[in-house]
Amino acid sequence: AQSVTQLGSHVSVSEGALVLLRCNYSSSVPPYLFWYVQYPNQGLQLLLKYTTGATLVKGINGFEAEFKKSETSFHLTKPSAHMSDAAEYFCAVSDSLGGTSYGKLTFGQGTILTVHP
Amino acid sequence: DAEITQSPRHKITETGRQVTLACHQTWNHNNMFWYRQDLGHGLRLIHYSYGVQDTNKGEVSDGYSVSRSNTEDLPLTLESAASSQTSVYFCASSEWVDTGELFFGEGSRLTVL
Repeated sequence: AQSVTQLGSHVSVSEGALVLLRCNYSSSVPPYLFWYVQYPNQGLQLLLKYTTGATLVKGINGFEAEFKKSETSFHLTKPSAHMSDAAEYFCAVSDSLGGTSYGKLTFGQGTILTVHP
Repeated sequence: DAEITQSPRHKITETGRQVTLACHQTWNHNNMFWYRQDLGHGLRLIHYSYGVQDTNKGEVSDGYSVSRSNTEDLPLTLESAASSQTSVYFCASSEWVDTGELFFGEGSRLTVL
């Protein structure tokens, strides 16, 4: 079965500082990996995704993530935090073609990012 | 613009009552999903559908049912609401199974007293 672990339910950074949100996954087949963001009282929006190809993936709002198969990780980073980045972030995994969880996402527990002046 | 809408956005009900949450998408997506969001659990899959007349159970399907009579709608029914079903419910859809990218509604907050 797939699983996703996000290390740290709350992360607090200063404006302009590096943002690092950690995600580790388990999957029995090559995974598809996603980061979603949720602003208060809204649904989730896709930040970025890894399916195949280049392991460093760039997303919206200056975020990027690197797929590291050997570490089963897909950490999310942003070089310089903005106040508008304050939100909850979810890592998710889906089986690629042929897996038993094909087409369905398994989400991590979420990480609330706080950005202070 | 295509979108996915949920109704009601907020509902309070009593234990034992039947409740239906509506989900309507205009993306013309084949795949639709219902998740519940609870603190400390992230999002957990309740039911999903890959097309008309197709429904499947997710990891937390007990006490819930869905039906898919057309492409646009996947209503979620709580047959007999329980306090443990107090949660925020999200409907989502996707076009292609092989990428898994989901488009989410804004959520329905359900309180069961």
